[in-house]
Amino acid sequence: GIQVEQSPPDLILQEGANSTLRCNFSDSVNNLQWFHQNPWGQLINLFYIPSGTKQNGRLSATTVATERYSLLYISSSQTTDSGVYFCAVDSGGSYIPTFGRGTSLIVHP
Amino acid sequence: GAGVSQSPRYKVAKRGQDVALRCDPISGHVSLFWYQQALGQGPEFLTYFQNEAQLDKSGLPSDRFFAERPEGSVSTLKIQRTQQEDSAVYLCASSPSLTPRAGYTFGSGTRLTVV
Repeated sequence: GIQVEQSPPDLILQEGANSTLRCNFSDSVNNLQWFHQNPWGQLINLFYIPSGTKQNGRLSATTVATERYSLLYISSSQTTDSGVYFCAVDSGGSYIPTFGRGTSLIVHP
Repeated sequence: GAGVSQSPRYKVAKRGQDVALRCDPISGHVSLFWYQQALGQGPEFLTYFQNEAQLDKSGLPSDRFFAERPEGSVSTLKIQRTQQEDSAVYLCASSPSLTPRAGYTFGSGTRLTVV
């Protein structure tokens, strides 16, 4: 099946800093999503972004499908951004998302 | 309901005990997924339903795992003769349709600890 690699695995920031999270995938994809899992375990869908660029407030994402990667940008980070960020993709005839191992983000006040 | 509801929130089982985990999807959502998330890992796919039909169960790790959705709404994931390696968070997600463009909504999960 498709392989999904996320980097960095861990990230520690001071409040107000910017960051870039990366997701590489091994095959062409039908769909790509970014999720945030908060410290209580709730998974929240941030972006549905199989290609192109989207922005939502301080977050934005870019997927370059031909080069098999996606980037999630967090600007002016806040402590509430802490948690784990997952990239999930599906490919071929399957619409079932395969998740990466995530990037664990801690934002200090 | 407003979101995907999972119960119980926490479950401690003795090794060998059977457990049943419940998922109440958003009303009207046809697609329902179960995922298993071990500590420090991403969610791993277990099984998928479209209405009451179980279309994919390729992720179920053994025949001790069984899932059902008899009326196309509430789903139950059952684990028989639990083992320590079954300890994980079990996540349920639902969607109005098959494709993620419609958006997946995840529940808060059931944390299973087998002792």
